[in-house]
Amino acid sequence: NAGVTQTPKFQVLKTGQSMTLQCAQDMNHNSMYWYRQDPGMGLRLIYYSASEGTTDKGEVPNGYNVSRLNKREFSLRLESAAPSQTSVYFCASTIIESNTEAFFGQGTRLTVV
Amino acid sequence: AQRVTQPEKLLSVFKGAPVELKCNYSYSGSPELFWYVQYSRQRLQLLLRHISRESIKGFTADLNKGETSFHLKKPFAQEEDSAMYYCALSSTSGSRLTFGEGTQLTVNP
Repeated sequence: NAGVTQTPKFQVLKTGQSMTLQCAQDMNHNSMYWYRQDPGMGLRLIYYSASEGTTDKGEVPNGYNVSRLNKREFSLRLESAAPSQTSVYFCASTIIESNTEAFFGQGTRLTVV
Repeated sequence: AQRVTQPEKLLSVFKGAPVELKCNYSYSGSPELFWYVQYSRQRLQLLLRHISRESIKGFTADLNKGETSFHLKKPFAQEEDSAMYYCALSSTSGSRLTFGEGTQLTVNP
């Protein structure tokens, strides 16, 4: 049982380049999330998808887009990367959008130069 | 709006000493509180939740609604407890998890 799988694990981008972070879960969870982790700021929610077919902005959505491709997959796209987007990105999933244990991916360390 | 505050970014104790990681929250409704832990090179995982009222790896946390706190405690810290700890909150009516800033705990030998 793989749980939540993120790809890639590491990525270096030049300013202005685009890329998509992939996330897939095999636990039949309904809700999926993208967080960024920055020192001293904890985990901040970028976007989330409460269920297949819906997406909503979190705390820090600017510069990002998401796609809930199906129940398993939730991707995060950076259209034009900026150095301020250098961070560690985590995907997570929960059975439903409340009060349940969140399962996390192993993270993607992104550096924008 | 819901908010979680962890006032200590870094906490260092010696093995065998008691440890307390502080967490304060603000939320107008009835919250659900969690502690998540991230060991070095591992993914974030749930440590405990207040509704379970259980002790995990010797850690306990009590929800104090009067003080709006959910501090994590362990009477005798171990070196393997060294990790990043995050307090998190969601509402019973259904809202996504909001995390605090995190506390990096180091337990020295």
